[in-house]
Amino acid sequence: NAGVTQTPKFRVLKTGQSMTLLCAQDMNHEYMYWYRQDPGMGLRLIHYSVGEGTTAKGEVPDGYNVSRLKKQNFLLGLESAAPSQTSVYFCASSYSSLGDRYTFGSGTRLTVV
Amino acid sequence: GENVEQHPSTLSVQEGDSAVIKCTYSDSASNYFPWYKQELGKRPQLIIDIRSNVGEKKDQRIAVTLNKTAKHFSLHITETQPEDSAVYFCAASGSYQLTFGKGTKLSVIP
Repeated sequence: NAGVTQTPKFRVLKTGQSMTLLCAQDMNHEYMYWYRQDPGMGLRLIHYSVGEGTTAKGEVPDGYNVSRLKKQNFLLGLESAAPSQTSVYFCASSYSSLGDRYTFGSGTRLTVV
Repeated sequence: GENVEQHPSTLSVQEGDSAVIKCTYSDSASNYFPWYKQELGKRPQLIIDIRSNVGEKKDQRIAVTLNKTAKHFSLHITETQPEDSAVYFCAASGSYQLTFGKGTKLSVIP
């Protein structure tokens, strides 16, 4: 039982390049989330999903797209990376609409140069 | 949407002393308030949570109090130990997701 798995763990991109971050969970959770963490800013919600085939915008959605084609996977895409997207990205999942007891992935450290 | 303010941003205590971190929230509909601990380079880990129908909850050296009328909640750590050094985040539930405070870096000095 792996919980929440994020790939990759580290990545360096050049400005303008694209990439996809993968989040996979094996707990049959309905709710999945992408947050970014920057120094002094806490965890800010980018996008979230309340079930397979659904997505919704969070606090800081600009420059990102997401998809949830399968219940267990939640993908975060950067179409044209910018240095402002340098951050640590965390995926999380929850069984409850309240956001009860998030299970976090181990994070992806992304640097855009 | 929900807004969560957390204070202080940094806190240094001597080993064995108590530490208190405070948060306020804006949405009176919020009813779930967790606290997460994040060690350097690691993922956030849930340490304690409280729901709106409860005023206080304890788990060994950790306690959380909630004042729904004033819309604030606090984390109390007693008999602090060096391994308590970390960044602590409070959060409040909104529609389908949590809104986090900006974090408190706690340093416990041996």
